[in-house]
Amino acid sequence: DIEMTQSPSSLSASVGDTVTITCRASQGIGNDFGWFQHQPGKAPKRLIYGASNLQSGVPSRFSGSTSGTEFTLTISSLQPEDFATYFCLQHHSYPYTFGQGTKLDIK
Amino acid sequence: EVQLVESGGGLVKPGGSLRLSCEVSGFTLRDYNMNWVRQAPGKGLEWVSSISRSSTYIYYADSVKGRFTISRDNAKNSLSLQMNSLSAEDTALYYCTRDGASTHWGQGTLVTVSS
Repeated sequence: DIEMTQSPSSLSASVGDTVTITCRASQGIGNDFGWFQHQPGKAPKRLIYGASNLQSGVPSRFSGSTSGTEFTLTISSLQPEDFATYFCLQHHSYPYTFGQGTKLDIK
Repeated sequence: EVQLVESGGGLVKPGGSLRLSCEVSGFTLRDYNMNWVRQAPGKGLEWVSSISRSSTYIYYADSVKGRFTISRDNAKNSLSLQMNSLSAEDTALYYCTRDGASTHWGQGTLVTVSS
């Protein structure tokens, strides 16, 4: 199974800050990878697909990048609505696997 | 607008069964692979099962293999998950998601297995 190691597990930041979250895959997954935002009581929302492509309708302050098996989500100029849990997903091979999640809260 | 609405969750005793449904709208179900994903309380997300567009290919997590059955009815825009021999470890919020990349998610239905 492909393990997705996500860090950090929690993060405190202020409105206007820039934060980065990382997922590392235990083996190559190409760009079969996505980042998601999950707010309590809502359906998870995909932000980034193909490792670096911004989902339609998602603000441009969200960006994704990759280097080998490491994937990074960057949120620039944090807005109040960005405080949520973020997780990654590899859909390269079964079983699909998720990162453990990063809870982003207000400092 | 793409929508996925799960239902069928509830409280069930260990060893019991439950059938979850996912009704979709805003897209043509037969055009997409579909998945079930779950999240146990305080835990991370776990992929449960996937089914291809015409049900030709079906995959299960080892943790549910032999107990859960995924199915779909493209004519009725519906995805199902039959869950048998449930245990406390199956307690979770169950989501249906669209396509391999899980482009869209429902809000989930809660399954609680407890005596």
